[in-house]
Amino acid sequence: AQSVTQLGSHVSVSEGALVLLRCNYSSSVPPYLFWYVQYPNQGLQLLLKYTSAATLVKGINGFEAEFKKSETSFHLTKPSAHMSDAAEYFCAVSDGVEYGNKLVFGAGTILRVKS
Amino acid sequence: GAVVSQHPSWVICKSGTSVKIECRSLDFQATTMFWYRQFPKQSLMLMATSNEGSKATYEQGVEKDKFLINHASLTLSTLTVTSAHPEDSSFYICSARASGRTYNEQFFGPGTRLTVL
Repeated sequence: AQSVTQLGSHVSVSEGALVLLRCNYSSSVPPYLFWYVQYPNQGLQLLLKYTSAATLVKGINGFEAEFKKSETSFHLTKPSAHMSDAAEYFCAVSDGVEYGNKLVFGAGTILRVKS
Repeated sequence: GAVVSQHPSWVICKSGTSVKIECRSLDFQATTMFWYRQFPKQSLMLMATSNEGSKATYEQGVEKDKFLINHASLTLSTLTVTSAHPEDSSFYICSARASGRTYNEQFFGPGTRLTVL
């Protein structure tokens, strides 16, 4: 079975500071990993995805994530936070057809950006 | 591209009535659609997987007779909450997986807020 753990339900950073949102996964087969962002009362928007190609993945809005197999991690980072980054972020794992293409989500991390 | 819409965006209904939520892929064909439920301050929980032309596959603990899913075409899936009760109040989100796409990327709709009085 797959699972995702997001460390820290709330993260607060100052505008311009580094953003680091943590995600650890568990999967019995090589995973596909995703980060999504959700603004209040909206659906999810894909930030980036890892699909077994490059381990450092760049996404939209200046975000990137690094897949580290030895640490089973896929942490999301952004060098300089912007006020518009305030939202909830979800890490998700999928391992393909074996489990019916399902996405398993972490509990989410709410990012607050202080001015 | 890859836009998914949901209708309605919010609905309020009386206890005991049925509510239908539509999920449409606007600019691509989706052989598979997923329905999620999200309670306040919680993550998304997969309710069911819907494949065009076949019966939906429900996750453990989800009542298939209460949450009726129909995926009649490659661009439309519907979720009907039958005999809704206040505990069914939630944010329902659908997603669609494009035909031929790999990596299980799902495109999400904007969600439907259901309130049952």
